[in-house]
Amino acid sequence: DAGVIQSPRHEVTEMGQEVTLRCKPISGHNSLFWYRQTMMRGLELLIYFNNNVPIDDSGMPEDRFSAKMPNASFSTLKIQPSEPRDSAVYFCASSTLREDQPQHFGDGTRLSIL
Amino acid sequence: AQRVTQPEKLLSVFKGAPVELKCNYSYSGSPELFWYVQYSRQRLQLLLRHISRESIKGFTADLNKGETSFHLKKPFAQEEDSAMYYCALRGMIKAAGNKLTFGGGTRVLVKP
Repeated sequence: DAGVIQSPRHEVTEMGQEVTLRCKPISGHNSLFWYRQTMMRGLELLIYFNNNVPIDDSGMPEDRFSAKMPNASFSTLKIQPSEPRDSAVYFCASSTLREDQPQHFGDGTRLSIL
Repeated sequence: AQRVTQPEKLLSVFKGAPVELKCNYSYSGSPELFWYVQYSRQRLQLLLRHISRESIKGFTADLNKGETSFHLKKPFAQEEDSAMYYCALRGMIKAAGNKLTFGGGTRVLVKP
């Protein structure tokens, strides 16, 4: 199993541009989580899905952020327009719905907005 | 509301010294607690969970419901333990699924 796969690994773009981050969860996992990690705020949950349905998006900072999960094997996190304060490492994680199963994290996308 | 607090942002210890990372939580029910570790520029990995009651890489953690704590301990730190450590809580509300609440993290630096 390749684990949770995120792309790209690094993204550098200018402010105002649209940014799309991608995640492929582990096959068979029903839950998918998007996190943002910064030095100042640590690890923050942005949104999570169960069975492709968004359950809690209260962590999404503002309307510039949106996330979709069109099928069980793919999710995107989009920022439009991007701003320098969005610079962070964005992690995707997946798990089964079983309560005794941990979350498995991807390698993250390091995003820099200039 | 559930909350996880890691009061120390940085812990610096010498190799061979004991290390203890503090984690306190607030939750009205009986939560499940985890420790995740992130080595330099790598993905977060599960280190241990309280229900397993096991020692991983020499680390142990005991859930103290009276003090609402889940401190992580290792008697003799090694240089390879240098990493970021996150304490996390999962509530027992079925509708929330496997949602975790993370603490702010503690960076451990083990000096030779």
